[in-house]
Amino acid sequence: NAGVMQNPRHLVRRRGQEARLRCSPMKGHSHVYWYRQLPEEGLKFMVYLQKENIIDESGMPKERFSAEFPKEGPSILRIQQVVRGDSAAYFCASRKPSTDTQYFGPGTRLTVL
Amino acid sequence: AQTVTQSQPEMSVQEAETVTLSCTYDTSESDYYLFWYKQPPSRQMILVIRQEAYKQQNATENRFSVNFQKAAKSFSLKISDSQLGDAAMYFCAYRSRDDKIIFGKGTRLHILP
Repeated sequence: NAGVMQNPRHLVRRRGQEARLRCSPMKGHSHVYWYRQLPEEGLKFMVYLQKENIIDESGMPKERFSAEFPKEGPSILRIQQVVRGDSAAYFCASRKPSTDTQYFGPGTRLTVL
Repeated sequence: AQTVTQSQPEMSVQEAETVTLSCTYDTSESDYYLFWYKQPPSRQMILVIRQEAYKQQNATENRFSVNFQKAAKSFSLKISDSQLGDAAMYFCAYRSRDDKIIFGKGTRLHILP
């Protein structure tokens, strides 16, 4: 059973460009979470999604950031008009319904030049 | 709001010795989960151990064990027979009722050969 997949692993963007980060949860996992990790910090919750629904986006900035988890395909975290402060590692986690443990992907390191 | 505090930014231990990493948390919830995650230089988040708050028995996974003191809101991780591969950042984490995981800032563990 493959783990949580994220791609790309590294992404470089110039200020003002768009960043798209993809997350494929583990098989059978319908709950997806996105976290952001700034250098030398712990992970901070951004958004929680189930298939076709955003459950909790309280940790996500109101502007420029959006997330989706369509019926088919991976979950996407989209950052529009990136700024240098968006440079961070973005982690996706998934879990099965009725379980409590979230399993993390390897992360996408976003660098904004 | 829940908080997780790791008061030791860095620790060192001699190979084959035992080390304990501290974690305290604050919550008004009575039912929750606690985790320790390991993040090696690859930055992958690896689940080390989990503890359900309603269980009095301390969780154990091979060389890793916890000391869970619910009344004191303390959740320390003990690593026995430390190995070079244990060198990593260790994050204490709390899973709240609304399904978010709240992380501490981490403890960087060095293993001395």
